[in-house]
Amino acid sequence: RKEVEQDPGPFNVPEGATVAFNCTYSNSASQSFFWYRQDCRKEPKLLMSVYSSGNEDGRFTAQLNRASQYISLLIRDSKLSDSATYLCVVNEGSYIPTFGRGTSLIVHP
Amino acid sequence: DADVTQTPRNRITKTGKRIMLECSQTKGHDRMYWYRQDPGLGLRLIYYSFDVKDINKGEISDGYSVSRQAQAKFSLSLESAIPNQTALYFCATSDLWGSTDTQYFGPGTRLTVL
Repeated sequence: RKEVEQDPGPFNVPEGATVAFNCTYSNSASQSFFWYRQDCRKEPKLLMSVYSSGNEDGRFTAQLNRASQYISLLIRDSKLSDSATYLCVVNEGSYIPTFGRGTSLIVHP
Repeated sequence: DADVTQTPRNRITKTGKRIMLECSQTKGHDRMYWYRQDPGLGLRLIYYSFDVKDINKGEISDGYSVSRQAQAKFSLSLESAIPNQTALYFCATSDLWGSTDTQYFGPGTRLTVL
């Protein structure tokens, strides 16, 4: 069974902090990678795709390390509204995604 | 209007009842998926369909069936519901021709089986 592993947290950080999550995957043939955000009892929504060269979107930076088979998400200057669960998603190329169980982030005042 | 809709949004039923959850999408996507989410277990794939004539079992298909009535509609049935099928169910779509294969989720159906 293909595995995508995440630290469930919760990560409890103050506003303005920088926080990073990692996600490891077991299938070296995996081809595409994503971070989704899920608010409590809501549907997951794409936060950002993760590219080999790394990519940034405002306060969010995603990195891929194929050699060590992990992806990371860095959030700078955390806001209260960043509180959510962050899901790591890995596609093997068959368009069947494998979801991690999610990492919970709580940003407090 | 939402691109991916699910009905009902909430349902409480009894053990042994037949339940159908419906999903419709206006995104024009070929691929559709059904997932369930349980606390601490993340999203698990039940069934998926890459076009109207294509149905595939996912990780946890036992006790479920699906019907792809049209490109836009994908229904999930529980023929005889049992309490451990109590969960949050999500439908999702993605684009066969898309390069990023982003999944777009419906708002979810919260199902409780008593």
